[in-house]
Order: sequence, then C-alpha cells, then structure tokens
Amino acid sequence: DSGVTQTPKHLITATGQRVTLRCSPRSGDLSVYWYQQSLDQGLQFLIQYYNGEERAKGNILERFSAQQFPDLHSELNLSSLELGDSALYFCASNPLGGRYNEQFFGPGTRLTVL
Amino acid sequence: SQQGEEDPQALSIQEGENATMNCSYKTSINNLQWYRQNSGRGLVHLILIRSNEREKHSGRLRVTLDTSKKSSSLLITASRAADTASYFCATDAQGGSEKLVFGKGTKLTVNP
Repeated sequence: DSGVTQTPKHLITATGQRVTLRCSPRSGDLSVYWYQQSLDQGLQFLIQYYNGEERAKGNILERFSAQQFPDLHSELNLSSLELGDSALYFCASNPLGGRYNEQFFGPGTRLTVL
Repeated sequence: SQQGEEDPQALSIQEGENATMNCSYKTSINNLQWYRQNSGRGLVHLILIRSNEREKHSGRLRVTLDTSKKSSSLLITASRAADTASYFCATDAQGGSEKLVFGKGTKLTVNP
C-alpha cells in the first residue's frame, strides 16, 4: 500500500459525458502527478501540481483539466469523453519533485467509455 | 512520447532462473527508476539509480546504468512465481523536469 488513494476504482460512462477522478496523496506529500495508461500509448504523463499550483504539463488534452486543493487532494476532470479516453488513470505523489524523484502511485481508476 | 524502451517485450522463465530486462533511453537523465505493475494494478517503485551510479542492489534486484550507452538493465535473481508482472523503466530529464517518462514495459512470466 503506497498511501496514495484514488476513487473511484472503476468508472463506466458514455461518450460525451464528464467525469471527475479523485486522488489523495500520501500524508505530507506536496506534489501530485497524473498519468494515463492505455494499450496503445502506454504510460503517459498528464500534469503535475505542487502545493496547489500547476508545475508541469504533459500530453494533456484540452478537454481534461486538473486542480489541487488546499488539503492537497487533487481532481482530474475529463469532459466530452471519447471512446479513446478509456484507460487507467494513475495519480502519484512525492514530497517534492526534486532531483531524486521516486513517485508513489495509487491503485488507479479504470475508466471505460462506451 | 516514450523515452525508455524495454527489451524484451515479454519474457517467460522458470522459477529459480534469473530474469534480465533492458531499457534504453534517449536524453540525458538525472536518474532512472524501475517500477513493477501487477496486472492492471498500480505501479510499485522498485529501485532508483542516479546518473552518477553504475550499479545498485536491493534484495534480489540488481540494476546497472550505462549513461554512455543510455541504457540500463534490471536483473531479478532466483525468480519466483510472485515476480510475474510487468516491469517498467522510467526516466526524468535533466533540466529540472520532474515528470517521469516510461517505457512500454517488459511482461515477465515466471512459471512454477
């Protein structure tokens, strides 16, 4: 158990819908990272927040957005969902990115878009 | 885009044998990490090797790093059926980026 929690574990929805994925980092960790894992693209970095502020952005679609709240939990919002958005979405955290960047991953949310 | 590329894509061995997985990457790095993922579950951090290190051990794991060849290897000795999983290398990039760039992984099957 990494100490990172993600809800829900599974989500099934229809195209065009909007969903919110939630992540609670390990106690004391200020950095939260979101990754998407799909069969064709593998594990892709989406976005990083540090202490409430966006710190880095990866291959995140404009239909996707994220935020980190004062209690450090983070939410990833996915809108106008398409079939291709079906994937495992992981959240990871660490105290501060820094140079030695071990990240602790949550169990993931499996999103299925029908 | 993937920075690391693992080789082989799949590996099947018998319990007790050693498993070696390789990873190549493209740009300069601060460190390289190996993660393990059981089927469809979260990633578990195994080991981190810094760019100024050449070899690191952790239990039955041995990681090597050759920055001149931009490659790393993960050796699992005396493998067990419970080692069956996918193994990913992940790199960050020099210049302050904290995101991890993952390879596509090696799927290891250890047969009892």
